[in-house]
Amino acid sequence: GAVVSQHPSWVICKSGTSVKIECRSLDFQATTMFWYRQFPKQSLMLMATSNEGSKATYEQGVEKDKFLINHASLTLSTLTVTSAHPEDSSFYICSARSGRDFYEQYFGPGTRLTVT
Amino acid sequence: GQNIDQPTEMTATEGAIVQINCTYQTSGFNGLFWYQQHAGEAPTFLSYNVLDGLEEKGRFSSFLSRSKGYSYLLLKELQMKDSASYLCAVMDSNYQLIWGAGTKLIIKP
Repeated sequence: GAVVSQHPSWVICKSGTSVKIECRSLDFQATTMFWYRQFPKQSLMLMATSNEGSKATYEQGVEKDKFLINHASLTLSTLTVTSAHPEDSSFYICSARSGRDFYEQYFGPGTRLTVT
Repeated sequence: GQNIDQPTEMTATEGAIVQINCTYQTSGFNGLFWYQQHAGEAPTFLSYNVLDGLEEKGRFSSFLSRSKGYSYLLLKELQMKDSASYLCAVMDSNYQLIWGAGTKLIIKP
């Protein structure tokens, strides 16, 4: 089956620093990748959609200068949280969609970010 | 606007059957998904319905009525490991997933 990995699985950083999260599709080419954020006891919130080789499309209310997304290849997308603040502490999940199964998204295991 | 409604929490007994309902109002419809999410983990795919009717997959079944904007997930022979949140999501006309808030299912022995 389709496997998506995320790294790191958890990270603690100090306020004001930047953190990069990687999302990789291991056995398929991901034409589209999605980044979600999930606060405790809440549902998934889509942050942005990225297609390989083009700029990400951010959802309303998501600061594109704060959450930098790069989808440089068909198997890798990165999310960089710049100048992190404690309110950015959350569970970040990526998902990927291949060009073949347009309807199904394969989720990574998530990254728990804690900003102190 | 787009809206997905599902109950916040449900409780059921091990070995029993539980039905989790989901109603939706979206701009366009390209299918409805159910995902299972254990605490601290990413969602895992359970089912996809795009046509009306019942889709059965082992202990889990999912039903869709497009005219009513309604779906349910049916879990049979409940096991303790089924304790999780169940997320209903609809793919809209732009092929974007619109997510419900999730239903936390608590299984009691």
